[in-house]
Amino acid sequence: DTAVSQTPKYLVTQMGNDKSIKCEQNLGHDTMYWYKQDSKKFLKIMFSYNNKELIINETVPNRFSPKSPDKAHLNLHINSLELGDSAVYFCASSLHYYGYTFGSGTRLTVV
Amino acid sequence: GEDVEQSLFLSVREGDSSVINCTYTDSSSTYLYWYKQEPGAGLQLLTYIFSNMDMKQDQRLTVLLNKKDKHLSLRIADTQTGDSAIYFCAESSYTGTASKLTFGTGTRLQVTL
Repeated sequence: DTAVSQTPKYLVTQMGNDKSIKCEQNLGHDTMYWYKQDSKKFLKIMFSYNNKELIINETVPNRFSPKSPDKAHLNLHINSLELGDSAVYFCASSLHYYGYTFGSGTRLTVV
Repeated sequence: GEDVEQSLFLSVREGDSSVINCTYTDSSSTYLYWYKQEPGAGLQLLTYIFSNMDMKQDQRLTVLLNKKDKHLSLRIADTQTGDSAIYFCAESSYTGTASKLTFGTGTRLQVTL
């Protein structure tokens, strides 16, 4: 039933590790996104994919690499994790510019 | 450029009306949204307004849009303790190839008894 689902919900890992967050949507949307929410609750777009094609890549370190195997999935892989990567990462989807729907978030804690 | 501003904090008494304000800069925004985030939870879409509308009402929620001043507000009537949360306004932009939401800084609403 879940429209946009992301896993895991919580992720605690050590500095220097590599981790992935997965996202899937069953809404038939054509665009998917990753947003980052920092400790001050600011939400900022990181990436946007439209039909598996990278459309938006904001100023994000190269350690972050999104991958979209099909238009219903958008995963986020993070290499060499740093303390500053600790945040809540939200996946979202939309149909063109309408109907933005967010997942429940992945709280990443780097120790 | 895109910059969406909100006041950081609002405290109201239960039963009163709350008004949360937002200013945005992108005049080409097609839709403007209000999201609610409760502690430890995700983003819940509350309501949205199309850019050619001035007002939209949805039960206890009233959205007002002043396009000339690029000002958006959310009024919550009869505010309840369950309305305590962070409220984000967001503007959508679409360039023909890319669409995205740009969020405001969030307003933390505290409802007191």
